[in-house]
Amino acid sequence: NAGVTQTPKFQVLKTGQSMTLQCAQDMNHNSMYWYRQDPGMGLRLIYYSASEGTTDKGEVPNGYNVSRLNKREFSLRLESAAPSQTSVYFCASSDPGTQYFGPGTRLTVL
Amino acid sequence: AQSVTQLGSHVSVSEGALVLLRCNYSSSVPPYLFWYVQYPNQGLQLLLKYTSAATLVKGINGFEAEFKKSETSFHLTKPSAHMSDAAEYFCAVSRPGGYQKVTFGTGTKLQVIP
Repeated sequence: NAGVTQTPKFQVLKTGQSMTLQCAQDMNHNSMYWYRQDPGMGLRLIYYSASEGTTDKGEVPNGYNVSRLNKREFSLRLESAAPSQTSVYFCASSDPGTQYFGPGTRLTVL
Repeated sequence: AQSVTQLGSHVSVSEGALVLLRCNYSSSVPPYLFWYVQYPNQGLQLLLKYTSAATLVKGINGFEAEFKKSETSFHLTKPSAHMSDAAEYFCAVSRPGGYQKVTFGTGTKLQVIP
């Protein structure tokens, strides 16, 4: 099993550009999440999907959109990137009680 | 509402010394508690979790944590630090049952000195 996979691993954008971060899991989990990690701030939840067909905002949803494409895939879109969105983005999926993380995407917005 | 507080953003220990990373939680219901480890340029990996069974929980790589309700604490320990333990450690809390939001602490970076 690959677990949780994310693409791309690295990305540099200019202010105003758009991009989609892809995430897939092969553990048949119902719930999936997107976090951002910034120094000294731990992980902050951007959006989550408790089950296929549902998505909800987390702590810091502004500037992002998500799509739960099917049970396996959960994508995060930045419509108009801003320097404040420079961060490391992690996708996770969970069985009841435990989250499993992908390797992350390092995004720099210039 | 739920939250976790990790005391000390950086901890240094000598190789072979005791590792103690502190975590205090706040939760309105009996919580689930977790410790995750993050090695440089990697995602988070589950070390151990408490889900209301035994209060002393053993995890991978020789780590363990004890749930103390009276102190609202879930401190992480390892008797003897190894160089490979150098990483960032995150404490997290959630409610039991089905889908539940997980709240993470701000992390503690562990440095192991040879």
